[in-house]
Amino acid sequence: QKEVEQNSGPLSVPEGAIASLNCTYSDRGSQSFFWYRQYSGKSPELIMSIYSNGDKEDGRFTAQLNKASQYVSLLIRDSQPSDSATYLCAVSNSGYALNFGKGTSLLVTP
Amino acid sequence: GAGVSQSPSNKVTEKGKDVELRCDPISGHTALYWYRQSLGQGLEFLIYFQGNSAPDKSGLPSDRFSAERTGGSVSTLTIQRTQQEDSAVYLCASSLGGLARDTQYFGPGTRLTVL
Repeated sequence: QKEVEQNSGPLSVPEGAIASLNCTYSDRGSQSFFWYRQYSGKSPELIMSIYSNGDKEDGRFTAQLNKASQYVSLLIRDSQPSDSATYLCAVSNSGYALNFGKGTSLLVTP
Repeated sequence: GAGVSQSPSNKVTEKGKDVELRCDPISGHTALYWYRQSLGQGLEFLIYFQGNSAPDKSGLPSDRFSAERTGGSVSTLTIQRTQQEDSAVYLCASSLGGLARDTQYFGPGTRLTVL
């Protein structure tokens, strides 16, 4: 069973702080890594993808990948209440299915 | 442009009945995926279609589940003799190709409740 593990949370951070979301995966053959955001009752939407070791920045979001440690993280700078959602880590080792973690619930408090 | 659409948005059925869920992918997307999200669970892959190739059915949980894709576009997921454990949100996604780096865009989902 190829596992993707996330802390379920909730992770609570004050507005303006940095939120750090973590994900580990078991399949060393994994090639592509994604972070999706899912608001309650809505479908997932992609916010970041990363394929190589290191950091990738997009606006307030930074994805970090360490394949040796089988670890991927998402940092959200200057967190806003609108960032409150469940963040899903997804991993792929082929062009087929995404293997999702159960998600981390983030709450940004004003 | 139009995103992935799914119908119905909600479906309530009785145990033992058959249900059909429909997905319209983004125009031009060749890859189509079905996932299931049960309460408190992550998204679970069900089936994958790529162009005219044979689908990858490796995620289907039982032979009560089947899916087809007509004309390389619209897909229907059928669940026969529904059980209470089939209650979940069924999500369809499409991507431009079937490559690992292609973004999968999700539809709004069909919430299935089996009484």
